[in-house]
Amino acid sequence: AQSVTQPDIHITVSEGASLELRCNYSYGATPYLFWYVQSPGQGLQLLLKYFSGDTLVQGIKGFEAEFKRSQSSFNLRKPSVHWSDAAEYFCAVRWASWGKLQFGAGTQVVVTP
Amino acid sequence: GAVVSQHPSRVICKSGTSVKIECRSLDFQATTMFWYRQFPKQSLMLMATSNEGSKATYEQGVEKDKFLINHASLTLSTLTVTSAHPEDSSFYICSAPQKDIKNIQYFGAGTRLSVL
Repeated sequence: AQSVTQPDIHITVSEGASLELRCNYSYGATPYLFWYVQSPGQGLQLLLKYFSGDTLVQGIKGFEAEFKRSQSSFNLRKPSVHWSDAAEYFCAVRWASWGKLQFGAGTQVVVTP
Repeated sequence: GAVVSQHPSRVICKSGTSVKIECRSLDFQATTMFWYRQFPKQSLMLMATSNEGSKATYEQGVEKDKFLINHASLTLSTLTVTSAHPEDSSFYICSAPQKDIKNIQYFGAGTRLSVL
């Protein structure tokens, strides 16, 4: 069955430190890949996406993600986190050019001073 | 990015009443909109897909008579929670894919429903 896995439920990181959030997907074909961020009580904001081409994609707020086909992964990174990056992060995949998103369980990021 | 407006942001109602939530695409036309439900500390669960001019498609286990969806125009979809009960209390989020940019989904800010 198709699945999206975010292995880390909760990550605590110091302000200024680097951050990496993991995302893995199952199924043979390369899906359309997304990272969204959700602040408390808010909807989801698109950080970045991968459809094809360059496997390293840049997003908003200084985030980037790298698609690795061999590992079926699409990990999100930020070199230096800011306190405002504290939020819930969701990896999502779409298995066709059209249709619904399948979300991972989410990773809660806490930023400490 | 595209803007999806969702109202109200928060609603408190008595048990047995109905609540309507609106989702509008402000700067693009959305023939399809998705409705999600999110429980605290959990991921989003797709409830249904609304299609302009036709019936909504509900996910397995979602009561279509409880959650009425109407996609009245190319920019408006509504979710009505009928005869709401405390167990319907949740965070409801809509999203709309923008066809012009490979169907990327843009999300509303969500509606916090509390049923007393």
